[in-house]
Amino acid sequence: NAGVTQTPKFQVLKTGQSMTLQCAQDMNHEYMSWYRQDPGMGLRLIHYSVGAGITDQGEVPNGYNVSRSTTEDFPLRLLSAAPSQTSVYFCASSDSRATYEQYFGPGTRLTVT
Amino acid sequence: AQKITQTQPGMFVQEKEAVTLDCTYDTSDPSYGLFWYKQPSSGEMIFLIYQGSYDQQNATEGRYSLNFQKARKSANLVISASQLGDSAMYFCAMREGEYTGNQFYFGTGTSLTVIP
Repeated sequence: NAGVTQTPKFQVLKTGQSMTLQCAQDMNHEYMSWYRQDPGMGLRLIHYSVGAGITDQGEVPNGYNVSRSTTEDFPLRLLSAAPSQTSVYFCASSDSRATYEQYFGPGTRLTVT
Repeated sequence: AQKITQTQPGMFVQEKEAVTLDCTYDTSDPSYGLFWYKQPSSGEMIFLIYQGSYDQQNATEGRYSLNFQKARKSANLVISASQLGDSAMYFCAMREGEYTGNQFYFGTGTSLTVIP
């Protein structure tokens, strides 16, 4: 089992550029989520999905899009990057049949200049 | 209002001593889950312990125990016999909304330093 994988590990974007952060899991988890982690702020939920074809907004969804076409993949799209989106992004998946313990990917460090 | 509050930005503990990291939560949902995660300096998030809102007993996992006081809405993490490898950020988190989609909320974290 690879668990939760995220690519890329590091990315630098210019303001206004778009990109997609990839997330995949091989544990057949229905629940997947994206967080951003900023200094002193903990992790904040951006978007989440309770299954293929179903997504919903978390605390800080503005500027981000998601889709869930398969159980395994949950990409996060930045439509027009802004310096305020400089952060570390974590993807996580949970087993919705149990406690919802979240398995986290290694994170993507994004810098927007 | 904050869903999860961790009031200790930094804590120090002597090696082999016990330490308690505080966490209070805010929800009106009768069904919720509480979690603690550890984030070492390498950055990965490591699950430590889980407590369900209907669980009668406090959760324990090895040297970790969760002191669950439902009426006070607190879920403190107790680490017994601290080790140098316990130095890390610790995050308390809550899952609520079992019937409305399940959202997660994290606290701002406590930085724990274990002193030899």
